[in-house]
Amino acid sequence: AQSVTQPDIHITVSEGASLELRCNYSYGATPYLFWYVQSPGQGLQLLLKYFSGDTLVQGIKGFEAEFKRSQSSFNLRKPSVHWSDAAEYFCAVVSTDSWGKFQFGAGTQVVVTP
Amino acid sequence: ETGVTQSPTHLIKTRGQQVTLRCSSQSGHNTVSWYQQALGQGPQFIFQYYREEENGRGNFPPRFSGLQFPNYSSELNVNALELDDSALYLCASSPSTVSYEQYFGPGTRLTVT
Repeated sequence: AQSVTQPDIHITVSEGASLELRCNYSYGATPYLFWYVQSPGQGLQLLLKYFSGDTLVQGIKGFEAEFKRSQSSFNLRKPSVHWSDAAEYFCAVVSTDSWGKFQFGAGTQVVVTP
Repeated sequence: ETGVTQSPTHLIKTRGQQVTLRCSSQSGHNTVSWYQQALGQGPQFIFQYYREEENGRGNFPPRFSGLQFPNYSSELNVNALELDDSALYLCASSPSTVSYEQYFGPGTRLTVT
């Protein structure tokens, strides 16, 4: 069965420290991978996406993610977090054999401490 | 260029009632998808509309239905509301069915009592 797993429900990080959010997927066909961020009271904003090519992709707000096919992972990273990065982060997958049917992980809540 | 808008922002309904949620797509986008996001969970795909026709559906019962209008705005209708329908309902628009770039609205918070 197709699935997207975000193993960490909640992460606390100090401002200025690095951040890594994990995402694992299980898909039969070639997946397209995304990371979204959701702030309270707001919709989802696309941070970055991976379709093919270079496995390290750059996104907005200083985020990057690395696709590792052998590990079925697409982890999100930021070298130095800012207080404004506190939000919920969702990994999402869509495959070429299920047009438009995005499947989201359960999300990781990120708390940034001073 | 305006983004995706949704109305209302919040509403409260009673079990068994019917509800209609509305979404205006981003300019130039002809594809609309609807998602249900229960508290503490990721969004779940309900269905997608393209050129006024349903173009894919997730694992939701028929009491969840939709419409897309010629101006690409959309409605989500839920009949016979159940307590478990309480959630944030998100609308997302795309330039096409194959663009994979979705732009989300702020959502409608539905509470069923």
